[in-house]
Amino acid sequence: NAGVTQTPKFQVLKTGQSMTLQCAQDMNHEYMSWYRQDPGMGLRLIHYSVGAGITDQGEVPNGYNVSRSTTEDFPLRLLSAAPSQTSVYFCASSFPGAGRGYTFGSGTRLTVV
Amino acid sequence: GQQLNQSPQSMFIQEGEDVSMNCTSSSIFNTWLWYKQDPGEGPVLLIALYKAGELTSNGRLTAQFGITRKDSFLNISASIPSDVGIYFCAGQDAYSGAGSYQLTFGKGTKLSVIP
Repeated sequence: NAGVTQTPKFQVLKTGQSMTLQCAQDMNHEYMSWYRQDPGMGLRLIHYSVGAGITDQGEVPNGYNVSRSTTEDFPLRLLSAAPSQTSVYFCASSFPGAGRGYTFGSGTRLTVV
Repeated sequence: GQQLNQSPQSMFIQEGEDVSMNCTSSSIFNTWLWYKQDPGEGPVLLIALYKAGELTSNGRLTAQFGITRKDSFLNISASIPSDVGIYFCAGQDAYSGAGSYQLTFGKGTKLSVIP
């Protein structure tokens, strides 16, 4: 049982490049989300999805796009990378309902130069 | 939006000491959760609390759901080197716009254990 799988684990981009961070879960979770983690800032929600075909913005959505064509996959796209997007990105998933908590992936460390 | 105030931001303790950290909120939550993040990994759920006043243990960890539903604390007894990491509190509000999915996270307590 793999849980939540994120790829790649590390990535270096040049300013202006685009890329997609992959997230897949095998637990049939309806809810999936993307967070970024920066020192002293905690976990900030970028985008989330409550099911296939349904996505919505979180706290810091600018510069990122998402789509959810299947229950399993929730990719995060950086359209034109900026140094401010240097961060560690986490994908998380959950069943709905109180107290379920999230299962997190192991993260993607992104550096934009 | 909702905010969680988690304190302290960081702690340096001697191995064997007890640790206490807490979270407070300006609004009520129906569920409190505590996560631990090991260096280079994603957060992992430690304890979930579902009722005001509830006290729950998981090995050397004990967490409580505050009576007012606006706070929670986590205690770690007899700390060991593998307790090092970042501890996050999270509150879940069943009345949020996204239904019962959304968690609000504290900014974390970074724990360092000196052998």
